[in-house]
Amino acid sequence: AQSVTQLGSHVSVSEGALVLLRCNYSSSVPPYLFWYVQYPNQGLQLLLKYTTGATLVKGINGFEAEFKKSETSFHLTKPSAHMSDAAEYFCAVRDAGGTSYGKLTFGQGTILTVHP
Amino acid sequence: EAQVTQNPRYLITVTGKKLTVTCSQNMNHEYMSWYRQDPGLGLRQIYYSMNVEVTDKGDVPEGYKVSRKEKRNFPLILESPSPNQTSLYFCASSLSLGNEQFFGPGTRLTVL
Repeated sequence: AQSVTQLGSHVSVSEGALVLLRCNYSSSVPPYLFWYVQYPNQGLQLLLKYTTGATLVKGINGFEAEFKKSETSFHLTKPSAHMSDAAEYFCAVRDAGGTSYGKLTFGQGTILTVHP
Repeated sequence: EAQVTQNPRYLITVTGKKLTVTCSQNMNHEYMSWYRQDPGLGLRQIYYSMNVEVTDKGDVPEGYKVSRKEKRNFPLILESPSPNQTSLYFCASSLSLGNEQFFGPGTRLTVL
């Protein structure tokens, strides 16, 4: 079964510092990869996704992520954190084939805190 | 306005009393899904549907039922709710598997 691991349930950065949120998955078949953000008391909003093509994906709000097949990783980065980036971030993986085709698996989430 | 709607938004019920949480989307999406969100566990997929009359189990289907009789609706049914089903539930839809999922606003369920 697919598994998604987000290293660090809490990440704290200073405003203006680099944001790095880590995500690793277990599938041996390149899947579809997503990062979502959830602000307090709200639903999830898509930040970016990888399906095929260029492995460096740019999303909204200055975020980007790089698909590294050899490392089975899809880490999320932002060069300079803003106070408004404080939220919970979820990595998600959808199998693109096999018996669990269509199933979407989320990581456990990383809460990002941004200090002034 | 393109959206996913869920009803009710909040529900407190008692053990064993059957309930249904409705989900509807107006985007003609093929793929719909239900998740539950619990602290420290992220979102876990309960059931998903790739089209009308096509449903499949996610990671935590026990205690839940779904149906997809129409493209726009995907209700979640708890035949005999138990306290361990107290959670925040999200419905989502997407045009197809590789596309963005649009999430509903969530339903906070408490089973006493």
